[in-house]
Amino acid sequence: EPEVTQTPSHQVTQMGQEVILRCVPISNHLYFYWYRQILGQKVEFLVSFYNNEISEKSEIFDDQFSVERPDGSNFTLKIRSTKLEDSAMYFCASRRLDREDEKLFFGSGTQLSVL
Amino acid sequence: GDSVTQMEGPVTLSEEAFLTINCTYTATGYPSLFWYVQYPGEGLQLLLKATKADDKGSNKGFEATYRKETTSFHLEKGSVQVSDSAVYFCALSDTGNQFYFGTGTSLTVIP
Repeated sequence: EPEVTQTPSHQVTQMGQEVILRCVPISNHLYFYWYRQILGQKVEFLVSFYNNEISEKSEIFDDQFSVERPDGSNFTLKIRSTKLEDSAMYFCASRRLDREDEKLFFGSGTQLSVL
Repeated sequence: GDSVTQMEGPVTLSEEAFLTINCTYTATGYPSLFWYVQYPGEGLQLLLKATKADDKGSNKGFEATYRKETTSFHLEKGSVQVSDSAVYFCALSDTGNQFYFGTGTSLTVIP
């Protein structure tokens, strides 16, 4: 089965530093997502992306966050100035466009630790 | 807003035991309901889904029935195996574009 690929699997950074989390969605998928899960809490929606622009975003997705699809294959999440509370597992997901197939395909996640 | 509440874990069962993981939802419309599973070191994978009331989703011996009257979508399996050890996530999608997940329930099956 096709896979969503995320890199790196683990990222350790100092508070205030910028991080970029990378994802390669499945090639014929058109909707892309970032979710995160703080340890012991729900998997939280951050942002969805379609047609080269943000489709929806949550309250968590403030000005510190941005997403980009720079080259037609990668889908990145940038956190400009990391805070301790940004420590979490970040999941990228993608899906086909049609409503009839609501299946999300997830990557294996990037564990971000902010020190 | 839309949300999902699922049973707290962790759950530890002996092989061949019966499994139930409870999930209830809150939604304004008529959502689709999902169970996703995450095996160690992997991403979340769709396990089963149901798109309307009274539908039963099933896969790999797991089942869940969409109960509108109780707003529930409990996951069941009659006889668990060691290979079922994973984290299970209940989820809903109301619009087809945004998905809401629960906290996940960790299951460990011991031989």
